[in-house]
Amino acid sequence: AQTVTQSQPEMSVQEAETVTLSCTYDTSESDYYLFWYKQPPSRQMILVIRQEAYKQQNATENRFSVNFQKAAKSFSLKISDSQLGDAAMYFCAYSSSGGGATNKLIFGTGTLLAVQP
Amino acid sequence: DAGVIQSPRHEVTEMGQEVTLRCKPISGHDYLFWYRQTMMRGLELLIYFNNNVPIDDSGMPEDRFSAKMPNASFSTLKIQPSEPRDSAVYFCASRALGTPHEQFFGPGTRLTVL
Repeated sequence: AQTVTQSQPEMSVQEAETVTLSCTYDTSESDYYLFWYKQPPSRQMILVIRQEAYKQQNATENRFSVNFQKAAKSFSLKISDSQLGDAAMYFCAYSSSGGGATNKLIFGTGTLLAVQP
Repeated sequence: DAGVIQSPRHEVTEMGQEVTLRCKPISGHDYLFWYRQTMMRGLELLIYFNNNVPIDDSGMPEDRFSAKMPNASFSTLKIQPSEPRDSAVYFCASRALGTPHEQFFGPGTRLTVL
């Protein structure tokens, strides 16, 4: 079974600085998707960024980028120029690329990010 | 599109009562998922549907929980009878067939069972 591990329960960053959130996963599959979701205090789950495992290039979305290391099964999220609105719980998630029962998202336990003004 | 719609946003009930949570997925999406979020267990999948058919309900905690999807635009999650340990935030999510398996979440229903 696939698992997702986030080893940092809490992180803090100064406004305008850069922070990296860690995520590791375990799978025997070769093709899959990885995601970072943001959950602010409103509790809405918002997709931040996604990565297809077959793509070697790291995904980037504005101030958000990932460092995808397939061999190491590592998927970290880097937030540049941190803003107060980035304060939230961040979840790393895994999804198999096949059909059937592999459609589920498997979530890590989350990292609570605080942004200090 | 309004996104995934869930109702109610908050529900407070007493132990033993029946609770029904509702979800309207994004139009055109083929998959619908129900998740539960608690401090102890995090986010866990309860059940998901493909084209209104339940595909995987292995996450449903027990027989007190049931879910239906009578048509492509509506799903319910019912708890009968409810217990205090069912208190959690329940999310509905939907996605379209094909890559990249991106799921869109509703705002969630915060359920409190007294």
